Amino acid sequence: AQTVTQSQPEMSVQEAETVTLSCTYDTSESDYYLFWYKQPPSRQMILVIRQEAYKQQNATENRFSVNFQKAAKSFSLKISDSQLGDAAMYFCAYRSAGTPLVFGKGTRLSVIA
Amino acid sequence: EAGVTQFPSHSVIEKGQTVTLRCDPISGHDNLYWYRRVMGKEIKFLLHFVKESKQDESGMPNNRFLAERTGGTYSTLKVQPAELEDSGVYFCASSQVLAGISYEQYFGPGTRLTVT
Repeated sequence: AQTVTQSQPEMSVQEAETVTLSCTYDTSESDYYLFWYKQPPSRQMILVIRQEAYKQQNATENRFSVNFQKAAKSFSLKISDSQLGDAAMYFCAYRSAGTPLVFGKGTRLSVIA
Repeated sequence: EAGVTQFPSHSVIEKGQTVTLRCDPISGHDNLYWYRRVMGKEIKFLLHFVKESKQDESGMPNNRFLAERTGGTYSTLKVQPAELEDSGVYFCASSQVLAGISYEQYFGPGTRLTVT
């Protein structure tokens, strides 16, 4: 069965600094998708960034970028120029074709002004 | 475009009572998913509808949980009778299917269920 592990229950970052959230996963599939979701205190979970496993290039979305290491089964999220609005729970998730999302336990990110 | 909505936002019930959660997906989204997060644990998949049909209900914990999606629109998740371990946040998500490909799942705000 696929599993997703987020080893950092909590992280903090100074405003304007950079932080990296870790995620590892386990799968025997070769074709799959990886996601980072953000859940602010208001609870609506939104997609931050996605990565297709067949793409070697790391996905980026403005201040958010990933470091996808397929052989190591690692998928970390880097947030640059952190802002107060980045404070949230961040969930790493995995999905292969026709399967539901498998989530990690989440990392609570605090941003210090 | 309205997002995924869920009702109620919070429900507190006693053990043995019944609760029904509702999810309204984004209009036009054939896929509808239910997930649950028990405090401090992973968000776990419960089941998946494609239109009104249950595609995958492998995550449903037991027969006290009943999900329906009448007419392929909104969905309900009924817990009867509720037990203490059912407490958690229940999320609904929906996604489009185009040319046989399922796209990103959009999540609702969740319903926080507390069973006392």
